[in-house]
Amino acid sequence: KAGVTQTPRYLIKTRGQQVTLSCSPISGHRSVSWYQQTPGQGLQFLFEYFSETQRNKGNFPGRFSGRQFSNSRSEMNVSTLELGDSALYLCASSPGLALSNQPQHFGDGTRLSIL
Amino acid sequence: KNQVEQSPQSLIILEGKNCTLQCNYTVSPFSNLRWYKQDTGRGPVSLTIMTFSENTKSNGRYTATLDADTKQSSLHITASQLSDSASYICVVTNDSGGYQKVTFGTGTKLQVIP
Repeated sequence: KAGVTQTPRYLIKTRGQQVTLSCSPISGHRSVSWYQQTPGQGLQFLFEYFSETQRNKGNFPGRFSGRQFSNSRSEMNVSTLELGDSALYLCASSPGLALSNQPQHFGDGTRLSIL
Repeated sequence: KNQVEQSPQSLIILEGKNCTLQCNYTVSPFSNLRWYKQDTGRGPVSLTIMTFSENTKSNGRYTATLDADTKQSSLHITASQLSDSASYICVVTNDSGGYQKVTFGTGTKLQVIP
């Protein structure tokens, strides 16, 4: 069974640009969650989508947005990029709502660097 | 403020030895606590998930304990292997008015040496 796939693996952008990251969950999983990981702040929860609806949201500005398609694939968009957005962005999928007692399966992330 | 503190920050042990990692949290009300293992350059891998009513859970050589009264959890690794070298992250979820919030610890970096 294929795992969670995130594309691209690496991305370099400049300040002010926008970026879209993609996540394909494990087949049959309906929940996709997004996380940001930085050396200074560690892991932080961005949001969770389930059946194309945002179910939970962390404390990030509106520049961070996401969506989920009918096949459960998800995209995350960051607009007006700032230097502080440089991070590893991780996606995780689970069969049901992730923030209950469902085990989550993570992809290996997209490393975003802002110049 | 909801916090999750892990100790030690880093740890070096000899292959074959046991070790225990600690996680203290102030998150309330409590929903569940998870331990993850993260290898360098990879995504985290789930080790255990415990709810309020559970006080121990095992996954192979990994055993997690939970004391909801003192708000402490530990992850015990038995007979360590070189492949156990990784960061171990404690994550606590709380239910706040129908929305669940996730608080991550900063992790313990474990190095197992031959």
